[in-house]
Amino acid sequence: AQRVTQPEKLLSVFKGAPVELKCNYSYSGSPELFWYVQYSRQRLQLLLRHISRESIKGFTADLNKGETSFHLKKPFAQEEDSAMYYCALFDYGGSQGNLIFGKGTKLSVKP
Amino acid sequence: KAGVTQTPRYLIKTRGQQVTLSCSPISGHRSVSWYQQTPGQGLQFLFEYFSETQRNKGNFPGRFSGRQFSNSRSEMNVSTLELGDSALYLCASSLNSGNTIYFGEGSWLTVV
Repeated sequence: AQRVTQPEKLLSVFKGAPVELKCNYSYSGSPELFWYVQYSRQRLQLLLRHISRESIKGFTADLNKGETSFHLKKPFAQEEDSAMYYCALFDYGGSQGNLIFGKGTKLSVKP
Repeated sequence: KAGVTQTPRYLIKTRGQQVTLSCSPISGHRSVSWYQQTPGQGLQFLFEYFSETQRNKGNFPGRFSGRQFSNSRSEMNVSTLELGDSALYLCASSLNSGNTIYFGEGSWLTVV
């Protein structure tokens, strides 16, 4: 079954420390993966899309098909990075429809 | 360019009642999808509409239904409300499936 797993509910780091938010997926086809972020009292918004291969706000994510992972990384965390982060998989077929989300990881960056 | 707009933002309903939520997509977007967000289940896909046709449906009971109008605006309806339907209902729009999806702020539904 198509699935996205984010093993950490909460990740707490100090400002300036590296951060890695883990995401593993299960998908029978060629996956299209995303990271969405939700800052406090704001709407869910796209952070990264793996096919774009871009860096947004210092975050990067590499698709590793061998390990079926799409971890989100940033070398130096900032306090404004504190938010909920959701990994998502786009399912083009079956009854699941569009995006399949992980349960999310709350990132807390301490001063 | 205006974002995805959802109304109402907050509402309280009683068990057994029905509710209709509305979504106006970004201008030019023809795909509208709906998601339910709860603390326990996270974000779950409800259904997706494109050009007034439902293209995909998630694993929700028939009490959850939706429609899309010719101007791409969409509504979702939940009939015979249950306490477990209390959730944040998110609408999202995109040009088409596979394009970047933009979310609204959501409608908070509380069933008492």
